[in-house]
Amino acid sequence: EDQVTQSPEALRLQEGESSSLNCSYTVSGLRGLFWYRQDPGKGPEFLFTLYSAGEEKEKERLKATLTKKESFLHITAPKPEDSATYLCAVYQGGSEKLVFGKGTKLTVNP
Amino acid sequence: NAGVTQTPKFQVLKTGQSMTLQCAQDMNHNSMYWYRQDPGMGLRLIYYSASEGTTDKGEVPNGYNVSRLNKREFSLRLESAAPSQTSVYFCASSVVGSPYEQYFGPGTRLTVT
Repeated sequence: EDQVTQSPEALRLQEGESSSLNCSYTVSGLRGLFWYRQDPGKGPEFLFTLYSAGEEKEKERLKATLTKKESFLHITAPKPEDSATYLCAVYQGGSEKLVFGKGTKLTVNP
Repeated sequence: NAGVTQTPKFQVLKTGQSMTLQCAQDMNHNSMYWYRQDPGMGLRLIYYSASEGTTDKGEVPNGYNVSRLNKREFSLRLESAAPSQTSVYFCASSVVGSPYEQYFGPGTRLTVT
């Protein structure tokens, strides 16, 4: 069964303290891994798509990387406004269905 | 560009009542989706429509029906609401499903008492 597992469930950082979030996946024939940011009371906001192992994408303080079994979202020198839940998702093998992990809730304290 | 819009934002229903959640997108996307999000469960797909005139079941379709009214609009209907359907519902759209990203609406918070 296709699965997406995110860790940790929650992460507290001090402002400026860099760290990484993990997304491990088991899916036959990866056709894209997606990272989203979700603020409380809002819909998920698209951040990145990664298609193949070795690919990296960056946006401000965020950098997403992909291997054959997992993806990392690296957060460099985070700020309080980076506090949110980060979701990752992959398309279920052979279908149009996007399977989501349960997310990592990031809190950045000033 | 409004992106994906959903109405209503909040709704309270009594058990057995019916309602329709509305979703519209102005990005000329072909594919549209309905998800529910519950604490500890993550986002789960209810139904999706790969193109106008087609709909397919997702992971948790029981108790729901959908209508792809046209390319822009995709509605979700609860015929007889149950407390287990208390959730936050999100609509999303994409260019053509896999392998493209989906864009989400702001959500509808539904409480069934």
